[in-house]
Order: sequence, then structure tokens, then C-alpha cells
Amino acid sequence: EDQVTQSPEALRLQEGESSSLNCSYTVSGLRGLFWYRQDPGKGPEFLFTLYSAGEEKEKERLKATLTKKESFLHITAPKPEDSATYLCAVQQSAGNKLTFGGGTRVLVKP
Amino acid sequence: SAVISQKPSRDICQRGTSLTIQCQVDSQVTMMFWYRQQPGQSLTLIATANQGSEATYESGFVIDKFPISRPNLTFSTLTVSNMSPEDSSIYLCSVGPSLTKNIQYFGAGTRLSVL
Repeated sequence: EDQVTQSPEALRLQEGESSSLNCSYTVSGLRGLFWYRQDPGKGPEFLFTLYSAGEEKEKERLKATLTKKESFLHITAPKPEDSATYLCAVQQSAGNKLTFGGGTRVLVKP
Repeated sequence: SAVISQKPSRDICQRGTSLTIQCQVDSQVTMMFWYRQQPGQSLTLIATANQGSEATYESGFVIDKFPISRPNLTFSTLTVSNMSPEDSSIYLCSVGPSLTKNIQYFGAGTRLSVL
């Protein structure tokens, strides 16, 4: 059974204080690893898809990386508007189903 | 990206009643998914709904409790039947991936409270 574990559960940062979120996974054949952002009262918003170990993708202050067992979401010099819950999900090679981790709640204080 | 509209956005229901949630997409999509997000927890897939076929349910979810319709390529409904307080959750509709983009897009969700 696919498993996704995210750490830490919560992260409090000062504005400008860079940090990383971890997503560890076990899956029988990885088709893709997804990162989403979820704001309170809203649905998840797509950020990145990573497909193979060594792949990196960037968007503004966010950078996602992938190894064979985990993915990291690096937040560089965060701003208060980066406060959200960040969700990681894996997609099996056999289908389209996404299995989500528990998420990391990020709070960036000015 | 697809624009997904869910109705209602929130509701408060009595125990034993049923609620039907609608999901409308602004373009034709093959695959639609229904997820549940319990308070403070992450998303769990309820079922996959493809047009023209019966929905496929994940372990722990059954058709009698969560019947799904998929009458065309832009619309789906999820019914939460015979509700109990344990059904209080956010229910989210998702679409994708397409042939050109391996991305699932989500609606804003329906916030359900069962008294």
C-alpha cells in the first residue's frame, strides 16, 4: 500500500527565514510526485509534479526536489503570503489515483 | 487549468438525511475524482468517476453510502446518504489528468456539518 509521510506537521518561520519541508514515500512504481498548496477554506492548488530522482522544479520562492525515497520543498526567504498548508501526493505508475500525505502547516510571521 | 464549481459550498444537515453535492467543470474531462478531507486531516480518495461507467470506490467506501453519478463529461454528483456526525468533512471534487497534462485540479470543496 502506498504511504506518504510529511514532516514537520507544522512550521513557524520568520519572514525571510528559509526552510525545507520533507515528504517521504513508499509506492509500488512512482509515476509522479505532486506538491499542492492549500489555503484555509479552499481546495488544493497545484504547484509541481516531479517524475524522476534528481529532478528539480522552481516557482518563485519555492523549489521542489525528488530522490528515490523522498521529496523536499524548499522555501527561500518566505513572505507572510507563503503561509498555507503544503500537501505532497504520490501517483502510482499503474493509474491516476493520488495518495496524499498529512500536510505541513506553514506560518510565516512578518 | 480547469475551473471547477462545487455546490453547495457548505451545509448543515440533520442526522439520517442525505445531501447531494454537485461538481461542474468548464471543459470536458474524462476523469473525475471525489475526495474527503476530515477536520485537520489530509485528503482521502472516495471514488473515481468516469463518464459512461460505474464509479470505482476505494477501500472503506461503498456505493450505498456514497452514490455517484457521472451523466456527461462536465458534471458529476456525490451523495452522502444516511448521514451521521462522522460524515462531517470537506468533500472535494477533482478533475484530470488530461492527455497533455498529468495534473489534477481541485474544486473549493463542500463543507458539511452533520448534527
